[in-house]
Amino acid sequence: ETGVTQSPTHLIKTRGQQVTLRCSSQSGHNTVSWYQQALGQGPQFIFQYYREEENGRGNFPPRFSGLQFPNYSSELNVNALELDDSALYLCASSIGLAGVIGELFFGEGSRLTVL
Amino acid sequence: GNSVTQMEGPVTLSEEAFLTINCTYTATGYPSLFWYVQYPGEGLQLLLKATKADDKGSNKGFEATYRKETTSFHLEKGSVQVSDSAVYFCARSPNTGNQFYFGTGTSLTVIP
Repeated sequence: ETGVTQSPTHLIKTRGQQVTLRCSSQSGHNTVSWYQQALGQGPQFIFQYYREEENGRGNFPPRFSGLQFPNYSSELNVNALELDDSALYLCASSIGLAGVIGELFFGEGSRLTVL
Repeated sequence: GNSVTQMEGPVTLSEEAFLTINCTYTATGYPSLFWYVQYPGEGLQLLLKATKADDKGSNKGFEATYRKETTSFHLEKGSVQVSDSAVYFCARSPNTGNQFYFGTGTSLTVIP
């Protein structure tokens, strides 16, 4: 069984640039969620994708956007990068919508540094 | 509101000491509760979970009991090892919607 994989693992960007992060979900999982984890903090929900559509969004501005592909993999795009966007971005997959008894399976994350 | 509050760290223990990391939650209804562990440089791994009141989740010597009356899910281990050094996150599932709520994490260092 293949776990959740993310790329790239580390990247450095400058303020104002754009970034795309990628995630392959665990085999058999059709839902992908993205979380932002700032240094010393817990993960914060960005959004979730199910059946190639956004299905719930946290308190993040529209310059955070995403896609899900027919094979359930996903991308997170961030435009007009700001210094505060520096964080570990975690992708998590699950079976169906992450409901009451669902659990999340996380990748190792993409660490973004904005200079 | 919907939140998870956990004991602030960092926590430093000697090997074989007893560990407790407190976690309380607020929620409407009865969410599932989780403990995730994050080793240095890695993503989060599920440590244990409980899906209803009075359930006890356990794994690798760690335990946590879902206490509805105190809205708590404290993590315990009777005898910690150096390899348990990591950051531990308490989390709850959504009642509706899709957003899991995480605590801020508690860093544990176990010294030989």
